[in-house]
Amino acid sequence: DGGITQSPKYLFRKEGQNVTLSCEQNLNHDAMYWYRQDPGQGLRLIYYSQIVNDFQKGDIAEGYSVSREKKESFPLTVTSAQKNPTAFYLCASRGQGLYSNQPQHFGDGTRLSIL
Amino acid sequence: KQEVTQIPAALSVPEGENLVLNCSFTDSAIYNLQWFRQDPGKGLTSLLLIQSSQREQTSGRLNASLDKSSGRSTLYIAASQPGDSATYLCAVKSNNRDDKIIFGKGTRLHILP
Repeated sequence: DGGITQSPKYLFRKEGQNVTLSCEQNLNHDAMYWYRQDPGQGLRLIYYSQIVNDFQKGDIAEGYSVSREKKESFPLTVTSAQKNPTAFYLCASRGQGLYSNQPQHFGDGTRLSIL
Repeated sequence: KQEVTQIPAALSVPEGENLVLNCSFTDSAIYNLQWFRQDPGKGLTSLLLIQSSQREQTSGRLNASLDKSSGRSTLYIAASQPGDSATYLCAVKSNNRDDKIIFGKGTRLHILP
């Protein structure tokens, strides 16, 4: 079945450590997104990519980095510069076209905590 | 800057009742509006997407309406069931050249058996 796979489901980070969250999709979607969800805050956009080898900062990109070397994959690295990384991270994808009315599809999320 | 608000933050209703969830947005220049469902600890599931040229969309017991001029959307759930208990989020894609979608904080719905 087509969908978005996020791994791991739970992740723990030590002080000063970088960690990478995986997001893979087999929907043949061009656009992919990373969101952070905190209790009572709703979803906030970290980074997004409309095409391979291209990505843009969202509203809260500081302390995060991404790459888009393959259409299917959009990994997110939470660096040691992100001082408050504890949150639920959601990856999404969407079909072709900036002005497309295709809905976003979401993975099941990764919950990141500090040790 | 587009802002999306959902009131109330939480709602409890007895099983079988019809109910309405509200979403408002500050900038009427939207491209589309989407309603999602989120179960605890899970990702979001798309329920309905309304294009800016449309007034409503229906899927089963769900009906979403859009009034761009007043900056409002509603999600109507008919004959509610305990399985409808979840958080419902609306999200707006503005009519500009970036690909950002702005989310409301959601309404947490609890259907009482």
